[in-house]
Amino acid sequence: AQSVTQLGSHVSVSEGALVLLRCNYSSSVPPYLFWYVQYPNQGLQLLLKYTSAATLVKGINGFEAEFKKSETSFHLTKPSAHMSDAAEYFCAVSEGYGGSQGNLIFGKGTKLSVKP
Amino acid sequence: NAGVTQTPKFRILKIGQSMTLQCAQDMNHNYMYWYRQDPGMGLKLIYYSVGAGITDKGEVPNGYNVSRSTTEDFPLRLELAAPSQTSVYFCASSYSPGTSGQGDTQYFGPGTRLTVL
Repeated sequence: AQSVTQLGSHVSVSEGALVLLRCNYSSSVPPYLFWYVQYPNQGLQLLLKYTSAATLVKGINGFEAEFKKSETSFHLTKPSAHMSDAAEYFCAVSEGYGGSQGNLIFGKGTKLSVKP
Repeated sequence: NAGVTQTPKFRILKIGQSMTLQCAQDMNHNYMYWYRQDPGMGLKLIYYSVGAGITDKGEVPNGYNVSRSTTEDFPLRLELAAPSQTSVYFCASSYSPGTSGQGDTQYFGPGTRLTVL
């Protein structure tokens, strides 16, 4: 069965510092991996996704993530945090095509705080 | 395009009452989903639909029902509300997973915050 583990329910960084949010997954088939962001009192918005093309994926707002099969990881990074990055971030996995295989399994989320 | 819309935004129910959470999308997506989000627990899939007339259970379907009579609408029904159903409910939609160029991106509505007292 698929699962997603996000290490750290809360991460706090200073403005301008590196952002690193960790995600590890388990899947019996090659996975599709996603990072979503949720700003307060809003729905989820896709940041980026890995669908078996390039292992380094660039997303919106300067975020990127690297798929490492050997480590079963898909960590999210941003070189320099901005105050507007404060939000909750969710990692998700799916098995891909068709029917229930497209369903997403979400991690529990990591809340990012950015200090001035 | 309005994207995915949900109504109402907030609702307070008494135990045993029933209600329908509305969800509509105008992107001609054939897949639609209902999730619930509880603090510190991420999102859990309640029901999903792969097209009009076709629905299936997700991870946490007990206490809920759905129908999909049109491509655009996917209402979620709570028949006998219980305090355990206090949560934030999100509807999402997508193209068929694997559709070339579209991938599996799910587009989310703004959510309905439900409290059952």
